[in-house]
Amino acid sequence: DQQVKQNSPSLSVQEGRISILNCDYTNSMFDYFLWYKKYPAEGPTFLISISSIKDKNEDGRFTVFLNKSAKHLSLHIVPSQPGDSAVYFCAATFTGGGNKLTFGTGTQLKVEL
Amino acid sequence: DTEVTQTPKHLVMGMTNKKSLKCEQHMGHRAMYWYKQKAKKPPELMFVYSYEKLSINESVPSRFSPECPNSSLLNLHLHALQPEDSALYLCASSQDPGSYNEQFFGPGTRLTVL
Repeated sequence: DQQVKQNSPSLSVQEGRISILNCDYTNSMFDYFLWYKKYPAEGPTFLISISSIKDKNEDGRFTVFLNKSAKHLSLHIVPSQPGDSAVYFCAATFTGGGNKLTFGTGTQLKVEL
Repeated sequence: DTEVTQTPKHLVMGMTNKKSLKCEQHMGHRAMYWYKQKAKKPPELMFVYSYEKLSINESVPSRFSPECPNSSLLNLHLHALQPEDSALYLCASSQDPGSYNEQFFGPGTRLTVL
């Protein structure tokens, strides 16, 4: 039972353009969402988060959008840079869940020159 | 210091061996986590420690035994593992177990069970 899904296993974008990574969830109890980036042979690195009381959160080149009614969130990276090439995981948790994260399946982003 | 360290980086062990993975953080975080990640899969939570007490065990087999000797240190003791336990084992920590805050991950230990 995959409660958090990233339906695109891979995405290729040109440098300078926008990267849009998508994530869907099924558990209505989730009320806090995070995005992590992972390079090979490293642990995941936190990028940005959003609470369910908001529909947008922005941090520099990264913006996360949340559509609660559709149970969908997306991460926008603009402009994309070659160093952004990595696997991106969305993750979700809920109040009283002990800060337990449920991760999505990941999307491999490749930013090409 | 905003780092979570894990040792060893790589570990190869036989099915009858006993070994331990170590994780350390000096950020004053009071929650620590063990995750297991198989190739091309997302990290899966194994254990959560809150204020040095085990708060979540995700039905992990008893051949994995966690230990939290103090607020900075987390161990994972391994005994009689199976080849299917080969994976990347990730440790993470977060500031406050009771509220939302991001988890900081270590680089992981790549475990191979022969």
